[in-house]
Amino acid sequence: AQSVTQLGSHVSVSEGALVLLRCNYSSSVPPYLFWYVQYPNQGLQLLLKYTSAATLVKGINGFEAEFKKSETSFHLTKPSAHMSDAAEYFCAVRGSNFGNEKLTFGTGTRLTIIP
Amino acid sequence: DGGITQSPKYLFRKEGQNVTLSCEQNLNHDAMYWYRQDPGQGLRLIYYSQIVNDFQKGDIAEGYSVSREKKESFPLTVTSAQKNPTAFYLCASRGPGGNTIYFGEGSWLTVV
Repeated sequence: AQSVTQLGSHVSVSEGALVLLRCNYSSSVPPYLFWYVQYPNQGLQLLLKYTSAATLVKGINGFEAEFKKSETSFHLTKPSAHMSDAAEYFCAVRGSNFGNEKLTFGTGTRLTIIP
Repeated sequence: DGGITQSPKYLFRKEGQNVTLSCEQNLNHDAMYWYRQDPGQGLRLIYYSQIVNDFQKGDIAEGYSVSREKKESFPLTVTSAQKNPTAFYLCASRGPGGNTIYFGEGSWLTVV
């Protein structure tokens, strides 16, 4: 069984400020973890993923996330927010065991950038 | 260009009618998925298929049906049994041995 909790359905930050979007997971097997971004009326685009290699993962658009097993967390950060970062962000988890096809999503966090 | 194509982008259906959403991929991916997205609920898995002529129910399969006759195609039929079909539907695929699931642009279904 696996689940994801995203703390904060809406987050607002000023342009140039730190972005921090929180994600905690639960998984009965070692997890694979993903962050996706969705712009209005579009599909989901992969930002970054953790698949049991380095715990600090760098993705596109200056985002990064750190896998912390002790805290069961995979928070997404960006040092300096840009107006183009305004979107909805989804954290997702999948078990790393063979044949596990199910990708479970959190409920999403809508990020607003204040000029 | 390689990718996942969903059609139509917008679809209106009268109550009691079945409707089929198309999903085609030219990525040579084996696994394909259908998700439903509702505001505030994230994405929920409807059906998935790991190989041709095989598919499995996800978390919310009731009122939906799929087929996988070709590797590149995974159409979703929303039947009249689906009580609340108005939603954004997303098709996705994953390559053999790959960890990442890639998404199409989605289809909006509205019941009128």
